[in-house]
Amino acid sequence: LAKTTQPISMDSYEGQEVNITCSHNNIATNDYITWYQQFPSQGPRFIIQGYKTKVTNEVASLFIPADRKSSTLSLPRVSLSDTAVYYCLVRYRDDKIIFGKGTRLHILP
Amino acid sequence: EPEVTQTPSHQVTQMGQEVILRCVPISNHLYFYWYRQILGQKVEFLVSFYNNEISEKSEIFDDQFSVERPDGSNFTLKIRSTKLEDSAMYFCASSEALDTGELFFGEGSRLTVL
Repeated sequence: LAKTTQPISMDSYEGQEVNITCSHNNIATNDYITWYQQFPSQGPRFIIQGYKTKVTNEVASLFIPADRKSSTLSLPRVSLSDTAVYYCLVRYRDDKIIFGKGTRLHILP
Repeated sequence: EPEVTQTPSHQVTQMGQEVILRCVPISNHLYFYWYRQILGQKVEFLVSFYNNEISEKSEIFDDQFSVERPDGSNFTLKIRSTKLEDSAMYFCASSEALDTGELFFGEGSRLTVL
């Protein structure tokens, strides 16, 4: 399993764009990069997944450079309700899906 | 939107008692998981289940834990003799395939062991 490293916490303000970067230096050729969001006392929720370049959905964008050794989750114009823990996972076809400590994002008014 | 449902939402039990946590995964999903999260800590993998058998388990998932899919819809986690340190939020998850990356989690069952 590829190990991931993320900042422990980040603060931002409402209306700002937030970028959370995850390092995964030993990512394997077949690994996908997946991000989850977790609110207090709730289960994690899938946000976005990508393999390379850029992926965008209605919630976020995921930027993956050519070497795939890192990825950046971008949240456009955050609101207070985006305060949560964000997890970066790297995996392919394994059923032992391990969550790291994640990044605790705190949005300020 | 289909969802994973878990019961009970909260259970309080005495140390040494048996507890069964229940989950109804999304109906066309084939892979099922249990995770736990102790208050303030990270989400920890317990076990994955496919084709009516355990496919992976962590070192946390020792002999006091067991999982079962007793019928076509339920997926249960049994803790045989609860300990104080089993107090945590237990999340069930399911996925359609092994390589989609998207796990669908339930709202969790909070277990408090006294």
